[in-house]
Amino acid sequence: DTGVSQNPRHKITKRGQNVTFRCDPISEHNRLYWYRQTLGQGPEFLTYFQNEAQLEKSRLLSDRFSAERPKGSFSTLEIQRTEQGDSAMYLCASSLVAAFQETQYFGPGTRLLVL
Amino acid sequence: KNEVEQSPQNLTAQEGEFITINCSYSVGISALHWLQQHPGGGIVSLFMLSSGKKKHGRLIATINIQEKHSSLHITASHPRDSAVYICAVRLGGSNYKLTFGKGTLLTVNP
Repeated sequence: DTGVSQNPRHKITKRGQNVTFRCDPISEHNRLYWYRQTLGQGPEFLTYFQNEAQLEKSRLLSDRFSAERPKGSFSTLEIQRTEQGDSAMYLCASSLVAAFQETQYFGPGTRLLVL
Repeated sequence: KNEVEQSPQNLTAQEGEFITINCSYSVGISALHWLQQHPGGGIVSLFMLSSGKKKHGRLIATINIQEKHSSLHITASHPRDSAVYICAVRLGGSNYKLTFGKGTLLTVNP
């Protein structure tokens, strides 16, 4: 257990439905990252937050995706009008950036299946 | 071409063998990470390197910045080492996002 939790761990939904995932980082960590991992591939960067500010979004993050970190603590990732191509593992990681040293601690992931 | 390439993609070994997994990258980086992912998804950070060599238990990681290459070695491999090992690089600048390789699936048989 790295101290980063994600909920739910698994989600099955029908195409066109909206889903929301939650990530609770390690409490003192100021950075929070979302990654997506499809079968047989390494994770791909989606977006990241420094405290409550969303500082970068990947071109992978279409208009149907939105992420928030309202008080600089937990974060949510919402996918609207899900498509079968959204099926993947969604990973959250948190870190404390200090003096250019950083280790990202990963959550267990939320596995999404869109039928 | 991926910015981070790992080899081999799959590796099967007998318990006790010395394992080497390689990672090459094509961009300038500020750090390189080796990560371990077990079935079910959990990822654990093993090493972060910006130069030289690091050792933790039976694991050794090396990096050659000039050649843009890193290796992860496992000595006296054990079935519990079976996992996917992922190399990830951090580009320079203030964004610490990681760019990942596809991973190497290691299976260590008893």
